[in-house]
Amino acid sequence: EIVMTQSPATLSVSPGERATLSCRASQSVSSNLAWYQQKPGQAPRLLIYGASTRATGIPARFSGSGSGTEFTLTISSLQSEDFAVYYCQQYNNWPRFTFGPGTKVDIK
Amino acid sequence: EVQLVESGGGLVQPGRSLRLSCAASGFTFDDYAMHWVRQAPGKGLEWVSGISWNSGSIGYADSVKGRFTISRDNAKNSLYLQMNSLRAEDTALYYCAKGHSGSYYSSFDYWGQGTLVTVSS
Repeated sequence: EIVMTQSPATLSVSPGERATLSCRASQSVSSNLAWYQQKPGQAPRLLIYGASTRATGIPARFSGSGSGTEFTLTISSLQSEDFAVYYCQQYNNWPRFTFGPGTKVDIK
Repeated sequence: EVQLVESGGGLVQPGRSLRLSCAASGFTFDDYAMHWVRQAPGKGLEWVSGISWNSGSIGYADSVKGRFTISRDNAKNSLYLQMNSLRAEDTALYYCAKGHSGSYYSSFDYWGQGTLVTVSS
């Protein structure tokens, strides 16, 4: 099984600042990596797929990069609605896809 | 509009069974792989099971293998999860999720709102 790790567990950021979240895979997942945002009481929402492609309707302040085992999600200027938990997910190993433990982005 | 509506959750005793359903609409159901993902209270996301568009390829997390069975009925635009020998650690909100593309290797672009399963005596 491919194990996903995320860092940091919690990231405290002020509105308007840049946030950088990291995700690492225990083995190469090529570019088959997605990022999801989840707010309390809501289902996850797809932000990024293919490591760097924004999903439909996702603002340009969200960007993804990386390939292989190291990935990054960057939020260029945090808005109030961006405070949430972010999960990475590998979908390279069909059908056993795995999620990272999540990074909580909260208000500094 | 894509909609995924889960049902079938509830309170069940350890060792008993439960069958979850997911009714899909707004897209061509038999073009996409489908998945179940769960989230224990206050915890992260855990992929549970996935099934290809034609049921030809199926997978399970180690934590549920041998106890859970995923299936789909493309004629009814429905996804199912038969859960047997339930344990307290299966307590979670269970989400149905749609594959983003026709390929097996795709992220999940739509999610239902989940159905809560509580395993307790």
